[in-house]
Amino acid sequence: EVQLLESGGGLLQPGGSLRLSCAASGFTFSNYAMSWVRQAPGKGPEWVSAITASGTNTNHADSVRGRFTISRDNSRNTVYLQMNSLKAEDTAVYYCAKGVATTTSYIDWWGQGTLVTVSS
Amino acid sequence: IVMTQSPATLSVSPGERATLSCRASQSISSDLAWYQQKPGQAPRLLIYGASTRATDIPARFSGSGSGTEFTLTISSLQSEDFAVYYCQQYNKWPRTFGQGTKVEIK
Repeated sequence: EVQLLESGGGLLQPGGSLRLSCAASGFTFSNYAMSWVRQAPGKGPEWVSAITASGTNTNHADSVRGRFTISRDNSRNTVYLQMNSLKAEDTAVYYCAKGVATTTSYIDWWGQGTLVTVSS
Repeated sequence: IVMTQSPATLSVSPGERATLSCRASQSISSDLAWYQQKPGQAPRLLIYGASTRATDIPARFSGSGSGTEFTLTISSLQSEDFAVYYCQQYNKWPRTFGQGTKVEIK
């Protein structure tokens, strides 16, 4: 069975940095695009960042471009989200998500999420 | 691409039909997925390609539409179907979600 286990969330002050990790298992990780999708309290999901299966191409939402970086290590079956210059509006549950192909389209499996709270 | 869902809340009795709408601000062909989310859980994929049910999704869920207008129909609501439903386009980056339709018990 597919498993996506996020870690690294927490409480931090505006301007701070955090790195989220997602350990994947139950599928051939290097064959699938991966994404990070966040959901602020009471809001709909927002696609944050995506990376192709090989790691060659990435995409980021305008709201995080220049501050967040997605990467992956196919030898460790892990995808990362480096978040810098954090703002209060980045507060959300961050989900690791598996795509259905080598490039990003829709999501067929979601992790349980890790909460990131940015507050002074 | 802006995805607009209606209504925001739908009150339905168990056993009744529910019809949820999703509109795209520009044509997305059939590049649309639907997800179900229950409180405290991650979303779950229901439909992709506008009308193809995902693995293990019951036949009471059906999707239709193309271009800019899409519909998710739940033919006979079961107790486990009361949740929030989101549409998501994957025609262009950034991938975008609608704001959701909450299906509640009438």
